[in-house]
Amino acid sequence: AQTVTQSQPEMSVQEAETVTLSCTYDTSESDYYLFWYKQPPSRQMILVIRQEAYKQQNATENRFSVNFQKAAKSFSLKISDSQLGDAAMYFCAYRSARGETSGSRLTFGEGTQLTVNP
Amino acid sequence: NAGVMQNPRHLVRRRGQEARLRCSPMKGHSHVYWYRQLPEEGLKFMVYLQKENIIDESGMPKERFSAEFPKEGPSILRIQQVVRGDSAAYFCASSHGQGANEQFFGPGTRLTVL
Repeated sequence: AQTVTQSQPEMSVQEAETVTLSCTYDTSESDYYLFWYKQPPSRQMILVIRQEAYKQQNATENRFSVNFQKAAKSFSLKISDSQLGDAAMYFCAYRSARGETSGSRLTFGEGTQLTVNP
Repeated sequence: NAGVMQNPRHLVRRRGQEARLRCSPMKGHSHVYWYRQLPEEGLKFMVYLQKENIIDESGMPKERFSAEFPKEGPSILRIQQVVRGDSAAYFCASSHGQGANEQFFGPGTRLTVL
């Protein structure tokens, strides 16, 4: 079974600074997808960024980028120019690419609570 | 295009009662997933359904929990004889297909068992 680990329960960053959230995962599969979701106080789950394991190039979405290290099974999220609205719980998630059953569920980490200080 | 709808947003039940949580997927989506989030924890997969079929229920507790996604109408997550440990936020997500297709999440239903 796949597992996702986020070793930082809490992180803080100054507004306009850069912060990196860590995520590691364990899998025996070679093809899969990785995601970062944001959960603000409203509790709505919002997709931040997605990475396909077969792609070597790291995904970027505006101020959000990832450092995907497949061999190390590491998938960190970098937030540049942090804004007050970035404050939220961030979840790393894994999804298999194979099979109709196992290839559909998301496996989440325990989350990292990000605080942005003005 | 409306997003994933869940109702009610908040549900209070006494121990032993039944809880029914409803989820209407995004228009055109035929894949529905239910996740549970206990306080201070991440989301845990419960069940994956397509229209009229349960595809994967490996995350669902064996007793008291059931889910359906009928041909017409919303998906229903039913919890019978609720206990305090069932108190959690229950999220529904839908997607157009599998694999890389994004799962769009609803706002969740917060269940409180007194």
